[in-house]
Amino acid sequence: AQSVTQLDSQVPVFEEAPVELRCNYSSSVSVYLFWYVQYPNQGLQLLLKYLSGSTLVESINGFEAEFNKSQTSFHLRKPSVHISDTAEYFCAVSGTGGSYIPTFGRGTSLIVHP
Amino acid sequence: NAGVTQTPKFRVLKTGQSMTLLCAQDMNHEYMYWYRQDPGMGLRLIHYSVGEGTTAKGEVPDGYNVSRLKKQNFLLGLESAAPSQTSVYFCASSYGSSQHFGDGTRLSIL
Repeated sequence: AQSVTQLDSQVPVFEEAPVELRCNYSSSVSVYLFWYVQYPNQGLQLLLKYLSGSTLVESINGFEAEFNKSQTSFHLRKPSVHISDTAEYFCAVSGTGGSYIPTFGRGTSLIVHP
Repeated sequence: NAGVTQTPKFRVLKTGQSMTLLCAQDMNHEYMYWYRQDPGMGLRLIHYSVGEGTTAKGEVPDGYNVSRLKKQNFLLGLESAAPSQTSVYFCASSYGSSQHFGDGTRLSIL
């Protein structure tokens, strides 16, 4: 069994400021980790994922996340946010074998103010 | 390339009515999923399928049924709708570890 805790339900930030969205997970097996983004009235889109190898993974739009096995965390960061980053962000975890059925966190609403 | 398509996009039902939500994917994915999304609850898995002709229960299956007669389609049925089933429903498909989502169906039960 696995679980995901997103520690903040809402994160307000000003444009061009840095941001960190926190995610902790619990699992008895090896994991894959994901961040998805959901813009208003849309489905979720994969932002980035950790499967193996380098613990630091990056997205094409400037987000990055670091897998920390000892702290069971996968926090999402961006050094300078834009208004267009306003969205709901979901962290998810799955096992590495078998069916890959993911477990999602409850989401963090990132609100970027001008 | 349409990806994952959900129909309808919106629906209002009366308590006790039945309906079917359709999900279609054109990526030849084996796995398909139905989730519901409620405020503050994240995504909760209703049912999923690991291939044509197979289905399995997720976290919140009660009150729903599913069928996967064709690989590209995954149907979610509500036999007797209840107000507690008012939600946004998302379908997803996957081949490996990452999921591809539709844009959702907003369902209101009065």
